[in-house]
Amino acid sequence: EVQLVQSGAEVKKPGESLKISCKGAGYSFTRHWIGWVRQMPGKGLEWMGTIFPGDSDTRYSPSFQGQVTISADKSISTAYLQWSSLKASDSAMYYCARRVGLSTYEFDYWGHGTLVTVSS
Amino acid sequence: QSALTQPASVSGSPGQSITISCTGASSDVGNYNLVSWYQQYPGKAPKLIIYEDTKRPSGVSNRYSGSKSGNTASLTISGLQAEDEADYHCCSYAGSSTLVFGGGTTLTVL
Repeated sequence: EVQLVQSGAEVKKPGESLKISCKGAGYSFTRHWIGWVRQMPGKGLEWMGTIFPGDSDTRYSPSFQGQVTISADKSISTAYLQWSSLKASDSAMYYCARRVGLSTYEFDYWGHGTLVTVSS
Repeated sequence: QSALTQPASVSGSPGQSITISCTGASSDVGNYNLVSWYQQYPGKAPKLIIYEDTKRPSGVSNRYSGSKSGNTASLTISGLQAEDEADYHCCSYAGSSTLVFGGGTTLTVL
């Protein structure tokens, strides 16, 4: 069974750093792109970026380029999303999701989400 | 890269059909057959219900259908049921390995 297991909820202060994770199981982790999607409270979904764990090829949304870093450790089938200096406006739910195929762009499996709260 | 435009809310009665629109541009929706739709219940992760404009994943009810005309994609739900009450999000490939989502639409079953 394909699963994406995300790390738990985080409460941080502005200016702090954070790295959240997404562990894939039940499929070949290195053969599917993993995307990160933000959902601010009461709002729609926003694509942040995608990484191919096989070679760490990474693409970012222009809106998030330079604001976050996406990485992966294929040896432990885990993708990451990290911030070096959080802002209150980073408070949101963050989902990781698996892209179906190399030349397709829909997400067929999603993690349960990681809630990030940034507050002083 | 602007977000796709969806109506904030739609509603319908049980048994009726509703359509949710998703308007983009010639650089995304209108240029690729790569629009997908996701259903999301409150507090839950999204679920894929339509991909590549019109295709349904295995296990998704045939009451859900996708279509596209020009820069506007549409999701139609026929035979509306109470369980269809959820948020619906469209997403399109926008070139250069980038994606863009719509703002989401809340469906209320009256």
